[in-house]
Amino acid sequence: EPEVTQTPSHQVTQMGQEVILRCVPISNHLYFYWYRQILGQKVEFLVSFYNNEISEKSEIFDDQFSVERPDGSNFTLKIRSTKLEDSAMYFCASRYTGGLAFFGQGTRLTVV
Amino acid sequence: GDSVTQMEGPVTLSEEAFLTINCTYTATGYPSLFWYVQYPGEGLQLLLKATKADDKGSNKGFEATYRKETTSFHLEKGSVQVSDSAVYFCVRSLNRDDKIIFGKGTRLHILP
Repeated sequence: EPEVTQTPSHQVTQMGQEVILRCVPISNHLYFYWYRQILGQKVEFLVSFYNNEISEKSEIFDDQFSVERPDGSNFTLKIRSTKLEDSAMYFCASRYTGGLAFFGQGTRLTVV
Repeated sequence: GDSVTQMEGPVTLSEEAFLTINCTYTATGYPSLFWYVQYPGEGLQLLLKATKADDKGSNKGFEATYRKETTSFHLEKGSVQVSDSAVYFCVRSLNRDDKIIFGKGTRLHILP
């Protein structure tokens, strides 16, 4: 069964450092997403990406965040200068068309 | 705006009890509806889905029926097990490059 793969599963970084979270969506999918979940809290939308550009982003997705699909397979989320409050589980998702999105297992980011 | 509302948790039940977790949605258009489950320390897994009115999604003994007239998609299970302890998210999406909206999640504890 096809799946969305995220790496690493856990990343620890120092405050102020840049971090890149990587995702490999399902190969024929067209829409890509990043969500985050602060421990024990709700799942929050960050950004959606289609046709090589951001289609929508939330208030959380400020200038410190960026996304890229550099080679047609990977979909990355970069945080330029991490803050303590960026500590969360980050989920990547993709879908072809229609409503069903497939989620990765998540990357737990810990900022110290 | 578009939203998903699900019952507050935590919900604590004894094994073999009947479970209902309520979910209602608002949306323009005709959304697809999903329940995702997150087991402790794990990622998001699709539990079941329904893509049009009166569809019933089912999996692992869980069921939910897409009710357009009441804009609801309540999750039910006739006899819960300890292994069902998890957080359950009601989710809606539309058939376009729209963000996928999550409810706040309902934590379920099943006591042996």
